[in-house]
Amino acid sequence: DGGITQSPKYLFRKEGQNVTLSCEQNLNHDAMYWYRQDPGQGLRLIYYSQIVNDFQKGDIAEGYSVSREKKESFPLTVTSAQKNPTAFYLCASSFGVYHNEQFFGPGTRLTVL
Amino acid sequence: QKEVEQNSGPLSVPEGAIASLNCTYSDRGSQSFFWYRQYSGKSPELIMSIYSNGDKEDGRFTAQLNKASQYVSLLIRDSQPSDSATYLCAVNRGNTGFQKLVFGTGTRLLVSP
Repeated sequence: DGGITQSPKYLFRKEGQNVTLSCEQNLNHDAMYWYRQDPGQGLRLIYYSQIVNDFQKGDIAEGYSVSREKKESFPLTVTSAQKNPTAFYLCASSFGVYHNEQFFGPGTRLTVL
Repeated sequence: QKEVEQNSGPLSVPEGAIASLNCTYSDRGSQSFFWYRQYSGKSPELIMSIYSNGDKEDGRFTAQLNKASQYVSLLIRDSQPSDSATYLCAVNRGNTGFQKLVFGTGTRLLVSP
């Protein structure tokens, strides 16, 4: 079955730790995205990638980093510099620039202890 | 002014009624419009996309777009309790190059049996 997977489903982090969230897709999509969702707020774009080995900052990139070494994978690292990392993190993908129907993975809920 | 605005609700309708969800946007250059459904604790699911003025129907769902008024709506006919969810409106930002989506904060729909 084609789809987007994210792991882990739940993640707990201590203050000062870096953590990496996994996102994998087998839809053969070129573009991938990371969003963050907080209660009462819309989805906010953290980073996006149009092709392998290229990625761009979104609206709230500070404290986050990404890589895109393979078409299928777009991991997100939440660094200790992110001031308020507790949130629901969503990975999405789309065919590309002109087909931006984005499809979401199941999400990772990150809690800072 | 927010880029994408939705009434947070909740919008309460009885089972079998028509639910009408509304969204306004500020970027006159927007070309792509999407409705996502999000159940509590889950990730968004794409249910409709619309690109030109007028109506687009898919089963019990109808999306309506009026670019002159910068308004997009979603009608759900014969509403079912299983339609109870938060509905997110998303609009692309910009009309050249890579088009990012901007999401509204969502309208919560409650369908009572």
